[in-house]
Amino acid sequence: GAVVSQHPSRVICKSGTSVKIECRSLDFQATTMFWYRQFPKQSLMLMATSNEGSKATYEQGVEKDKFLINHASLTLSTLTVTSAHPEDSSFYICSAKSRRGVSDTQYFGPGTRLTVL
Amino acid sequence: AQSVTQLGSHVSVSEGALVLLRCNYSSSVPPYLFWYVQYPNQGLQLLLKYTSAATLVKGINGFEAEFKKSETSFHLTKPSAHMSDAAEYFCAVSGMTTDSWGKLQFGAGTQVVVTP
Repeated sequence: GAVVSQHPSRVICKSGTSVKIECRSLDFQATTMFWYRQFPKQSLMLMATSNEGSKATYEQGVEKDKFLINHASLTLSTLTVTSAHPEDSSFYICSAKSRRGVSDTQYFGPGTRLTVL
Repeated sequence: AQSVTQLGSHVSVSEGALVLLRCNYSSSVPPYLFWYVQYPNQGLQLLLKYTSAATLVKGINGFEAEFKKSETSFHLTKPSAHMSDAAEYFCAVSGMTTDSWGKLQFGAGTQVVVTP
């Protein structure tokens, strides 16, 4: 149980285009989903938190107009990287949790490797 | 604010030897602590978590961790390393403030290499 999927697993796009990444909880309802960014050989950096049916909250320094997050249902959240540039190339990972307690486990997706040419 | 520090960015162990990964936390309130493992080009998998019940927590794949309040530590151990344990390991603490509620703060990670 507690499986989270991401699609696509890998995407290459041209500079200036937009890319959408999907995160789905397959066997549970995710009240909260998180989006992380991970640079090579570094830790995960939280970008934003999204609760179903409400606007995402972004961490300091993350451009909300560039990284659009939509948590339309209890099983789906999307991250759209708008007008992507080479510096947006990274590994993007989502996670989901079924409840909002501090001790509740976050279940992670397999990640999406974005390369912007 | 809560934070975690992982000592040692790289650890090399021989197959069959003890694996010890160090994690120290900083928190003004009793923390909730997690250990995750990441294999190359994959997401994170939960190994175990401490949620203020038993201080010795057993996880998957033979790993366990002990919460020591006096030392503010949550070190991860496995008695006998296997080649499949080669991966990146992250310690994390769950946020307890209004702004950080339920968010994970990760350590820098420790890369484990297992040699035959």
